[in-house]
Amino acid sequence: QKEVEQDPGPLSVPEGAIVSLNCTYSNSAFQYFMWYRQYSRKGPELLMYTYSSGNKEDGRFTAQVDKSSKYISLFIRDSQPSDSATYLCAMSGYSSASKIIFGSGTRLSIRP
Amino acid sequence: DVKVTQSSRYLVKRTGEKVFLECVQDMDHENMFWYRQDPGLGLRLIYFSYDVKMKEKGDIPEGYSVSREKKERFSLILESASTNQTSMYLCASSDRPTGSDQPQHFGDGTRLSIL
Repeated sequence: QKEVEQDPGPLSVPEGAIVSLNCTYSNSAFQYFMWYRQYSRKGPELLMYTYSSGNKEDGRFTAQVDKSSKYISLFIRDSQPSDSATYLCAMSGYSSASKIIFGSGTRLSIRP
Repeated sequence: DVKVTQSSRYLVKRTGEKVFLECVQDMDHENMFWYRQDPGLGLRLIYFSYDVKMKEKGDIPEGYSVSREKKERFSLILESASTNQTSMYLCASSDRPTGSDQPQHFGDGTRLSIL
């Protein structure tokens, strides 16, 4: 079983819809949770990060962590065609020796 | 803005060749990383470095080596390229080690094909 599971999609939604992207994980030591966005033929760029449980909002994006369920989510409100990309969840433990473990990515397409 | 530059966007090499992938960052970051990205497998860590001349194996180091002679430059070496090393290679740097709130900044990747 992978440490981090992410539905690969592809996910296609109409412009303006609310998008929900999710990851589950098995390692209870994870403390930092990140979402990266990767456009085609580009490297991943950090979109959001959260520490431990709770919600974090940044504009149209909300990251949610439920450590009791080992489940994290990224919500995109009022989705735009420019949001079409692959979204990677990532997580790491608190120790400086902890590596970042990435999900395999969900490919998202927003239809105009 | 942090800039991580990978020297080649696309490379085609032959089986058995020695291949060098170069990465340069401009933010004086201590930490640099090499990943490969394959469909369905996500990003897998090959090697990382916390300081000049220092290297640590990641999850899949077999068939690879690295060199960090200067702080800003981290090179990945395929000693004798094989077809199963065909992949997208991503370099990253960060100001702090993992296990912190500092993100990793990625280059745009080198798509390497081994024929």
